[in-house]
Amino acid sequence: GQQLNQSPQSMFIQEGEDVSMNCTSSSIFNTWLWYKQDPGEGPVLLIALYKAGELTSNGRLTAQFGITRKDSFLNISASIPSDVGIYFCAGQVHAGGTSYGKLTFGQGTILTVHP
Amino acid sequence: ETGVTQSPTHLIKTRGQQVTLRCSSQSGHNTVSWYQQALGQGPQFIFQYYREEENGRGNFPPRFSGLQFPNYSSELNVNALELDDSALYLCASSFGRETYEQYFGPGTRLTVT
Repeated sequence: GQQLNQSPQSMFIQEGEDVSMNCTSSSIFNTWLWYKQDPGEGPVLLIALYKAGELTSNGRLTAQFGITRKDSFLNISASIPSDVGIYFCAGQVHAGGTSYGKLTFGQGTILTVHP
Repeated sequence: ETGVTQSPTHLIKTRGQQVTLRCSSQSGHNTVSWYQQALGQGPQFIFQYYREEENGRGNFPPRFSGLQFPNYSSELNVNALELDDSALYLCASSFGRETYEQYFGPGTRLTVT
């Protein structure tokens, strides 16, 4: 089945530093999404990407849909303490059938920001 | 605008029992998806309901079943609970059959003993 490999697994950074994380797949996805999850809560949608090569920003967050459609990247600039949490990438194939609605998630990147 | 809500927040059940989890979709959304998130893992897709019909299903056994009601709220039922069913169960709502942007509720933490 489809697998998403997310790296790094965890990051420890100083407040103010920039952060980069990525997600790779052995198969093609038509949509890439990035979510943030805080402890005890559900994932919150940060950015959605729909076209290969697309670069989209949401405040200090920037994400890119890889040209091969097998990867995506998320960058956070000038990190702040509230950026702490688990970041997940998710991919979706627009194939219909039993794939309708299915988001395939990565394992997550745990981000810790030291003040 | 009301977000996705789930009930109950926490639940403890015994192996072999049955459980029903509930979800109310975000206003304006007509599609609900359910996910299982084990500790330290990403969410795993269980199934999706669109206009009261199952629209897609992940690799979960038939003892995982669901319903969607005319007001687009949804239930997840799990029969014959196993210890491995202990997880955070997440509901996500969206609009339309081919749903890309899904918005999650806070989840129900199920513990099976």
